[in-house]
Amino acid sequence: DAGVTQSPTHLIKTRGQHVTLRCSPISGHKSVSWYQQVLGQGPQFIFQYYEKEERGRGNFPDRFSARQFPNYSSELNVNALLLGDSALYLCASSLVFLANEKLFFGSGTQLSVL
Amino acid sequence: GNSVTQMEGPVTLSEEAFLTINCTYTATGYPSLFWYVQYPGEGLQLLLKATKADDKGSNKGFEATYRKETTSFHLEKGSVQVSDSAVYFCALSRQDNAGNMLTFGGGTRLMVKP
Repeated sequence: DAGVTQSPTHLIKTRGQHVTLRCSPISGHKSVSWYQQVLGQGPQFIFQYYEKEERGRGNFPDRFSARQFPNYSSELNVNALLLGDSALYLCASSLVFLANEKLFFGSGTQLSVL
Repeated sequence: GNSVTQMEGPVTLSEEAFLTINCTYTATGYPSLFWYVQYPGEGLQLLLKATKADDKGSNKGFEATYRKETTSFHLEKGSVQVSDSAVYFCALSRQDNAGNMLTFGGGTRLMVKP
């Protein structure tokens, strides 16, 4: 069975541009979460979606947005990119969204903003 | 708010040495606690978890006990192998209706030498 897949794997953008990152969860998983991992730090929670509804949002500016599609895949959009947005963006999926549930992570999209 | 503090790395050990990675947390209520591991070039994988006080999580020779009195969840392994070289993240999830959003520590890099 396929794990969580993310695309693209690497991306280079310039300041002010827009970027869209994509995530396909494990088949049957209805919850998708997004995390930002800056080099040398732990992942920071950005969004969680369950059954196509936003169920949680971390402390990120409105330049960050996301959505979940009927097939449970998800997109993360970032507008007006800043140098500080350079990071590894991780997508995670789970069956539902219970507090003690295991998350399955993709390998991430490495975003570099020049 | 919730937070997780881990010992800073890198931790460098010889093969078959004993491993301890300290983790303490601050949270309201009764969070679930996790250790995730990130091997080079891969996404995070759940290593073990504990969902209530005095629970012991274990997997692949690693153990951690949920200590509410000391708000700690230290990771231990009796005899490390070269293949254990990775970055280890301690994390907690909120124990309310907000789902399984994780708060991560900063990560501890483990390097095991033959």
